[in-house]
Amino acid sequence: NAGVTQTPKFRVLKTGQSMTLLCAQDMNHEYMYWYRQDPGMGLRLIHYSVGEGTTAKGEVPDGYNVSRLKKQNFLLGLESAAPSQTSVYFCASRPDRMNTEAFFGQGTRLTVV
Amino acid sequence: AQSVAQPEDQVNVAEGNPLTVKCTYSVSGNPYLFWYVQYPNRGLQFLLKYITGDNLVKGSYGFEAEFNKSQTSFHLKKPSALVSDSALYFCAVSPPRRGDTGRRALTFGSGTRLQVQP
Repeated sequence: NAGVTQTPKFRVLKTGQSMTLLCAQDMNHEYMYWYRQDPGMGLRLIHYSVGEGTTAKGEVPDGYNVSRLKKQNFLLGLESAAPSQTSVYFCASRPDRMNTEAFFGQGTRLTVV
Repeated sequence: AQSVAQPEDQVNVAEGNPLTVKCTYSVSGNPYLFWYVQYPNRGLQFLLKYITGDNLVKGSYGFEAEFNKSQTSFHLKKPSALVSDSALYFCAVSPPRRGDTGRRALTFGSGTRLQVQP
């Protein structure tokens, strides 16, 4: 019962470096999401996908890119990291039904120095 | 656009006392509403949801929530708080239908930290 798995769990980047966060789910869910969590701001949606090969912008997409080449994987990329991207990133997935709950990964704590 | 408000950053309650964590929402049509809990350094865990029917829904760990359509609220409650309930709680809303692709995501409130004192 892996559920939603995020890799890596922790990372420190220097300003300007790039990296990719991987989210994998084994529940055959159609919808996948990337959120960032910052103190006092709750979870804000970065990008999301409603199916393999599709992506869409969320509330705070600037500075991030995503890809969903396989249904089970949703990648979040930072091309040129900035200190403002220091945050905890959560991936979530859920079935193609609006009345279902989302399942979350354990999070990735990213620090950009 | 849909939105969720959690007016209290923190709620303090003594162990054994009832607790309430407030949530109000704004969405077109009849919403689907959710509560999640987050323990330190962990992901979000689903507690309960309102889809339709009885306005009082029961969930995990003895929590329940009351849906009030006229007040657009979905407050989380528990009759007797435990120290182990101390955590960060999030309310979320999902639109009732798929609609266009821009409306398919869960929208979260800013979170309420619950502190239960022994």
